[in-house]
Amino acid sequence: QKEVEQNSGPLSVPEGAIASLNCTYSDRGSQSFFWYRQYSGKSPELIMSIYSNGDKEDGRFTAQLNKASQYVSLLIRDSQPSDSATYLCAVNRGYSGAGSYQLTFGKGTKLSVIP
Amino acid sequence: EAQVTQNPRYLITVTGKKLTVTCSQNMNHEYMSWYRQDPGLGLRQIYYSMNVEVTDKGDVPEGYKVSRKEKRNFPLILESPSPNQTSLYFCASSFRWGRGISYNEQFFGPGTRLTVL
Repeated sequence: QKEVEQNSGPLSVPEGAIASLNCTYSDRGSQSFFWYRQYSGKSPELIMSIYSNGDKEDGRFTAQLNKASQYVSLLIRDSQPSDSATYLCAVNRGYSGAGSYQLTFGKGTKLSVIP
Repeated sequence: EAQVTQNPRYLITVTGKKLTVTCSQNMNHEYMSWYRQDPGLGLRQIYYSMNVEVTDKGDVPEGYKVSRKEKRNFPLILESPSPNQTSLYFCASSFRWGRGISYNEQFFGPGTRLTVL
């Protein structure tokens, strides 16, 4: 059973600080990794995708991937109250047979940015 | 505007009364999927489709049916709904491939909140 684990939180950070969200996954064959943001009562919105080891930056967001440790993280710099949401980590096995097109989601980490 | 639409957005029904939730996307995506989201359980995949006439079970398919007769539409059918199917349902779509790997960067619809009494 493929698993994706996240700390459920809530994670509280002051406005302007760096928020660090972590995710581990069990399937070593996983190739594609995603972070979604979900506001309460709304649908998930893709904010970052990463496919190779290292860092990927997009504005205030940085995704980090370490396949050897089966670990993916999301850093949010200069956190704003509007970043308060639940962040979902999702993992896709990629092109390797059964399960290639299934995303497995973690249960999410709730982030609260305090003004 | 590129989007995934779902209808209805809210539905209250009774046990055993067949219902269909529609999903449509205008991005020419090959891949479409249905999820349900429940407190404490997260997002769980019900069914997915890699292309027209190609569907497969996700993690929680029992009690659901799907069809993919057209590329843009992927309806979810509950033939005999039960109270344990009360949930928030999301449809999502994506392209299958990009640069040789399955990107699967999924776009989600707005959700359908279903209550089965």
